[in-house]
Amino acid sequence: DSGVTQTPKHLITATGQRVTLRCSPRSGDLSVYWYQQSLDQGLQFLIQYYNGEERAKGNILERFSAQQFPDLHSELNLSSLELGDSALYFCASSQRQGDSNQPQHFGDGTRLSIL
Amino acid sequence: GIQVEQSPPDLILQEGANSTLRCNFSDSVNNLQWFHQNPWGQLINLFYIPSGTKQNGRLSATTVATERYSLLYISSSQTTDSGVYFCAVGGNTPLVFGKGTRLSVIA
Repeated sequence: DSGVTQTPKHLITATGQRVTLRCSPRSGDLSVYWYQQSLDQGLQFLIQYYNGEERAKGNILERFSAQQFPDLHSELNLSSLELGDSALYFCASSQRQGDSNQPQHFGDGTRLSIL
Repeated sequence: GIQVEQSPPDLILQEGANSTLRCNFSDSVNNLQWFHQNPWGQLINLFYIPSGTKQNGRLSATTVATERYSLLYISSSQTTDSGVYFCAVGGNTPLVFGKGTRLSVIA
């Protein structure tokens, strides 16, 4: 058990819809990262938050947004969903800002299926 | 950005055999992690190893940061070792993942 909790585990919805994925980091971790794993793109970094503020952005679509709340949990919002958004979405957390000399701990992921 | 290459892409082993998985990266890093993705999709953190050697049971890993590669050794493989093994690296950036090595261990 990594200590990172993601909900829901599975999500099935239709094109054009909007969903919210939730992540609770390990106790004491201030940084939260979101990654997307799709068949064609592999595992890709989307966005990072540290203590409530956005710190880094990767290959995140404009239709996607995220935030980190005062209690440090994070939500990833996906809107105007397309078939290609079907993927496994992972949340990871680490203690401090940046990746210097510290591991990231991954949740079990949310599997999103767009019909 | 940093490029990560893993080899081999696929590996089939008989139960009990040993194997070595390789990860090459294109720039200096201060974070390197090995993961095992099981058939249920879970990413299991195996090693955090930006440099040096670590061992955990039948698994061990070595990273030679100056030569920009890391090796994951699996000894006496078991069917439960099947899955995809990912190497991920980072500098002062979030992790960049390789494409993985798909391991199948046959009884």
